[in-house]
Amino acid sequence: QKEVEQNSGPLSVPEGAIASLNCTYSDRGSQSFFWYRQYSGKSPELIMFIYSNGDKEDGRFTAQLNKASQYVSLLIRDSQPSDSATYLCAVTQGGSEKLVFGKGTKLTVNP
Amino acid sequence: AAGVIQSPRHLIKEKRETATLKCYPIPRHDTVYWYQQGPGQDPQFLISFYEKMQSDKGSIPDRFSAQQFSDYHSELNMSSLELGDSALYFCASSPRAGSFGEQYFGPGTRLTVT
Repeated sequence: QKEVEQNSGPLSVPEGAIASLNCTYSDRGSQSFFWYRQYSGKSPELIMFIYSNGDKEDGRFTAQLNKASQYVSLLIRDSQPSDSATYLCAVTQGGSEKLVFGKGTKLTVNP
Repeated sequence: AAGVIQSPRHLIKEKRETATLKCYPIPRHDTVYWYQQGPGQDPQFLISFYEKMQSDKGSIPDRFSAQQFSDYHSELNMSSLELGDSALYFCASSPRAGSFGEQYFGPGTRLTVT
């Protein structure tokens, strides 16, 4: 079992809809949680990070963390075609600063 | 805002050759990380440095070595290249002080081994 699991998708939503991306992790010692957006052939771009239970909002993006359930999610409101990309969930585990990534969810926003 | 700089952006090498990848972190970032991303794969952590000392090590082959210099730039040296080393190599940097581990990635070096 991979340490960080994501639905591989693809996830397809219409323009203006809410896209919901989910991630679970296995290490209860995980401390910080990140969402990166990666366009094909490009580098991961940091979208959000969260480290305490609850919600964190930044513009159209909301990250949600539930450490008891070992679950992290990313909501994208008013989805735009430019949001079409692969979204990578990453966590840092106890005692280490390295990022452990999920395999990513490919999101397509249809005009 | 200044970003992480990597050079070269593209590199083509033959099997058994050597390659050196360079990374210049965001100004005032003191921690550098290297990741390898194969086609269709997620990034895999290789190695990291803080204040010129190795701080963590992942699945880095013995054929690879890296270091961080006094100006905080880092170099990844790869020897006896194999076809399987063909991948995107990303460098990321982070300000250790006052951060939660957020890492900012450079544009990457695409290495092709023929």
